[in-house]
Amino acid sequence: DVKVTQSSRYLVKRTGEKVFLECVQDMDHENMFWYRQDPGLGLRLIYFSYDVKMKEKGDIPEGYSVSREKKERFSLILESASTNQTSMYLCASSPGQGRNQPQHFGDGTRLSIL
Amino acid sequence: GEDVEQSLFLSVREGDSSVINCTYTDSSSTYLYWYKQEPGAGLQLLTYIFSNMDMKQDQRLTVLLNKKDKHLSLRIADTQTGDSAIYFCAESPRVGGYNKLIFGAGTRLAVHP
Repeated sequence: DVKVTQSSRYLVKRTGEKVFLECVQDMDHENMFWYRQDPGLGLRLIYFSYDVKMKEKGDIPEGYSVSREKKERFSLILESASTNQTSMYLCASSPGQGRNQPQHFGDGTRLSIL
Repeated sequence: GEDVEQSLFLSVREGDSSVINCTYTDSSSTYLYWYKQEPGAGLQLLTYIFSNMDMKQDQRLTVLLNKKDKHLSLRIADTQTGDSAIYFCAESPRVGGYNKLIFGAGTRLAVHP
């Protein structure tokens, strides 16, 4: 079974802090993704990566950056946290080969910015 | 453009069948997916269907695909309280050399006795 592990289930930070959310997958997947989930809006893609050191902007990249130094790890960085970044953050990974590329999700990090 | 639409809420009685509907826009999607999210958890892949199929059955789950109308449905037979969750459908348009998933807003299924 694919295992995607997010480092924290709950996190509370202050406005202006630099925040790191970590995600690790154990299935040697090429692709990794960061989403945020807000009520009534579904999942919105922030950034994704299809290879080590590669990154692509998703639909809402403003205020975020990412890092992928190793294949199994994908970090989301909030450079200067703001209250409108309070949300549930979900990491996912998928294989890079084949036409069927379902994404496998971690349990999420509920982030509160005070 | 890419857009996936679902109704936001469905309430059913325990033991009845549930049908969750979804419409999508991108005809290049090779696979379409259903995910389940229980409270406080991430998304769990439930099932998927290849775009050249009309139907796929997996135990209590039946997926129907009408490619002409770009309509996807998930039927849960003999719905149980443990099926209470948010259900997301997703299309997978091919962007460049890889697939991305476009999710609907999710349908919250409430199962009552």
